[in-house]
Amino acid sequence: SQTIHQWPATLVQPVGSPLSLECTVEGTSNPNLYWYRQAAGRGLQLLFYSVGIGQISSEVPQNLSASRPQDRQFILSSKKLLLSDSGFYLCAWKFQMNTGELFFGEGSRLTVL
Amino acid sequence: EDQVTQSPEALRLQEGESSSLNCSYTVSGLRGLFWYRQDPGKGPEFLFTLYSAGEEKEKERLKATLTKKESFLHITAPKPEDSATYLCAVRHYGGSQGNLIFGKGTKLSVKP
Repeated sequence: SQTIHQWPATLVQPVGSPLSLECTVEGTSNPNLYWYRQAAGRGLQLLFYSVGIGQISSEVPQNLSASRPQDRQFILSSKKLLLSDSGFYLCAWKFQMNTGELFFGEGSRLTVL
Repeated sequence: EDQVTQSPEALRLQEGESSSLNCSYTVSGLRGLFWYRQDPGKGPEFLFTLYSAGEEKEKERLKATLTKKESFLHITAPKPEDSATYLCAVRHYGGSQGNLIFGKGTKLSVKP
């Protein structure tokens, strides 16, 4: 069976510091991978998605970037965090097809002070 | 504009009191409607996928139905452990690779 892992679960960072959130998927090959952000009172917002190694699409211009160095690894990064980057970040995967559900990780709570 | 609207925002039920959550959508060409359950501080847990009007799916006390403009999540005789936020999402033709458009969710509280 497939599993998805995200870490760290909780992170408190000062403004201007770098960020790295990691996500790995086990039990499948060549998945589509996604980073979402969930803010209080708002729906999940897609930040980045990837259909393969090194292939990243950005949905929203922002202070963040994503990378996919390996087939089942997805990383969300920032060089300098802003207060507005605080939120709940979710990694998700799906099979490589145009239908089908997304499966989410446990999430990473980021607080920027 | 493609949109997913869930109602009510919050719902309080007594244990055993059945009810329904609504998800209405306006997208150009539906390619799937998805229901998720999310517990506080956790990632969304997949519940159901519906693809065409008239389709129904069931799991324990939950039943999801789909029409051409909305979906309902029916909860029969709920228990306190059903308390969670329920999210609805849609995929449509023209959307980016597999992306889902999410509603803001309905927060369900079931009191014993």
